Amino acid sequence: EADIYQTPRYLVIGTGKKITLECSQTMGHDKMYWYQQDPGMELHLIHYSYGVNSTEKGDLSSESTVSRIRTEHFPLTLESARPSHTSQYLCASRRRGNTEAFFGQGTRLTVV
Amino acid sequence: SQQGEEDPQALSIQEGENATMNCSYKTSINNLQWYRQNSGRGLVHLILIRSNEREKHSGRLRVTLDTSKKSSSLLITASRAADTASYFCATEPYYNQGGKLIFGQGTELSVKP
Repeated sequence: EADIYQTPRYLVIGTGKKITLECSQTMGHDKMYWYQQDPGMELHLIHYSYGVNSTEKGDLSSESTVSRIRTEHFPLTLESARPSHTSQYLCASRRRGNTEAFFGQGTRLTVV
Repeated sequence: SQQGEEDPQALSIQEGENATMNCSYKTSINNLQWYRQNSGRGLVHLILIRSNEREKHSGRLRVTLDTSKKSSSLLITASRAADTASYFCATEPYYNQGGKLIFGQGTELSVKP
């Protein structure tokens, strides 16, 4: 059973609002990831971190920002939400080395 | 696609048949992994194969890796209706020390009872 949690599961928010998607893991994993996925489509890496105080942008340009102040917590923030941000956001974590990733259940964001 | 391309994009088979999905990638890798996703939920890890391995088995799953062709295949034997899901390959590029993990576009598998 994966100990990685995302909140909220579903969020409907108005254009221009600031939102933070939460992701927490209790496995002590160094590496954490945020992916964006539209229905039936591939996962796009938008941010990742390989440890506390490290954050890197992924391959998909994103207007979101992330922080990694604690090992277990990797929140993603949108300063001003737009309808184009409507998507599913998946968080994952893994240990160092050749290891598997564990995924949260995702946050489905709708910006109206 | 960012790194991996999978084919076919969709596959429909009868229960009991074997399902084969292929993944190609562009750069040298540390490892290649296969994941399963049900109905847009979070992904579940199936199997990991390291760059120095050529074949790996786990239950009804068989994965092969050909680093010279930069390709991998996932075989599911004796498929069941419960295997219906989307399957993704993911690669960890060799050049990236930060543990970047890049996913392909996925194969949607439908197993009919």
